[in-house]
Amino acid sequence: QQQVKQSPQSLIVQKGGIPIINCAYENTAFDYFPWYQQFPGKGPALLIAIRPDVSEKKEGRFTISFNKSAKQFSLHIMDSQPGDSATYFCAASINQAGTALIFGKGTTLSVSS
Amino acid sequence: NAGVTQTPKFQVLKTGQSMTLQCAQDMNHNSMYWYRQDPGMGLRLIYYSASEGTTDKGEVPNGYNVSRLNKREFSLRLESAAPSQTSVYFCAARNSGSRDEQYFGPGTRLTVT
Repeated sequence: QQQVKQSPQSLIVQKGGIPIINCAYENTAFDYFPWYQQFPGKGPALLIAIRPDVSEKKEGRFTISFNKSAKQFSLHIMDSQPGDSATYFCAASINQAGTALIFGKGTTLSVSS
Repeated sequence: NAGVTQTPKFQVLKTGQSMTLQCAQDMNHNSMYWYRQDPGMGLRLIYYSASEGTTDKGEVPNGYNVSRLNKREFSLRLESAAPSQTSVYFCAARNSGSRDEQYFGPGTRLTVT
């Protein structure tokens, strides 16, 4: 049973566009929702994260929107750049010592110039 | 401060051979994790260690064993490698706190022929 479903699998946008990646979760006990960015040949790195007490969080050009009732959250990248081309993973976990992040399957984003 | 380090970076094994993937962190984090990454499958948890002296199975533990040698080190062992274990393996470390970030190593690319 996949606990975090991510879509789309791949995405191509032009420079300046606003790609949106969506995730849905099933476990209502999840209370921490990060997004990770991964470049080819590298390990994933934390991009931005949100907890369910807020509906939106913005850091630079990256924004998470969170809908607790729908059990969905999404990543928006404003004014996307070719350097944003990477694989993006959403994840979720329970905020309890030692628990593991459960990841979505990833979205490969390509930003053309 | 190297963060999370993994050795080796690349490895080719023949079916039936054994090997140990090494992981070390210098962040004094309590929890450590092993994930495998396969195309289209995202990051799947193999084993994790919530704290020194404890280990637990993740989503895909079959064919693997782990050892939490001390707080810094968490190794993953393949006793009898199979072609299905061809993958990129990532180690991660995490400390529950206000930021709750999980840090990943650079990965080990393993090919089993």
